[in-house]
Amino acid sequence: GAGVSQSPSNKVTEKGKDVELRCDPISGHTALYWYRQRLGQGLEFLIYFQGNSAPDKSGLPSDRFSAERTGESVSTLTIQRTQQEDSAVYLCASSFGVTGRGNQPQHFGDGTRLSIL
Amino acid sequence: AQSVTQPDIHITVSEGASLELRCNYSYGATPYLFWYVQSPGQGLQLLLKYFSGDTLVQGIKGFEAEFKRSQSSFNLRKPSVHWSDAAEYFCAVAPSGNTGKLIFGQGTTLQVKP
Repeated sequence: GAGVSQSPSNKVTEKGKDVELRCDPISGHTALYWYRQRLGQGLEFLIYFQGNSAPDKSGLPSDRFSAERTGESVSTLTIQRTQQEDSAVYLCASSFGVTGRGNQPQHFGDGTRLSIL
Repeated sequence: AQSVTQPDIHITVSEGASLELRCNYSYGATPYLFWYVQSPGQGLQLLLKYFSGDTLVQGIKGFEAEFKRSQSSFNLRKPSVHWSDAAEYFCAVAPSGNTGKLIFGQGTTLQVKP
């Protein structure tokens, strides 16, 4: 597609439920990133993928958070047993190569707004 | 620890006035530097980037930024602001090397007065 696509755009769920957030990167982009943006805050890095592997998972807040990527395209971020502090906008980005290795800027989707009741 | 500081949380300027948004970073080597803009309910749009070379970089929508190594700064400027520039602006740093992580500042909200 033309840009990074995320679904759903909004998700409301009850505390304790599991949620899955999906990201479709720009076609041909091998690197994919997940960030979290709390209300009024900057973005916090969660995890990135190069191909199907995740060299840096250092930003995942707890073992309730996990992510996978299949076929060097779609990625899913899963949050288990959601808590109210998980409420945030979850943004996905992709780039042609890994940003730190060369001049490859990240292109962002519109995000998924997650609200935990 | 690596960090990015945007000292101004909110800035209000009149339409047609000049704009400068400040960004300072803390990092041992020269990182890759970015400015993004975010409109309400939208994702982030890349305004401009610095990787190497000329320290004055031009971006989209008439924005430019200057990298000053001695001050660890990467300030964003625009000579004449338009009402449509009202948005939130984020400075970000990517440490060079084998990482994809972007480190973001807290953002500056720009309000434009008619």
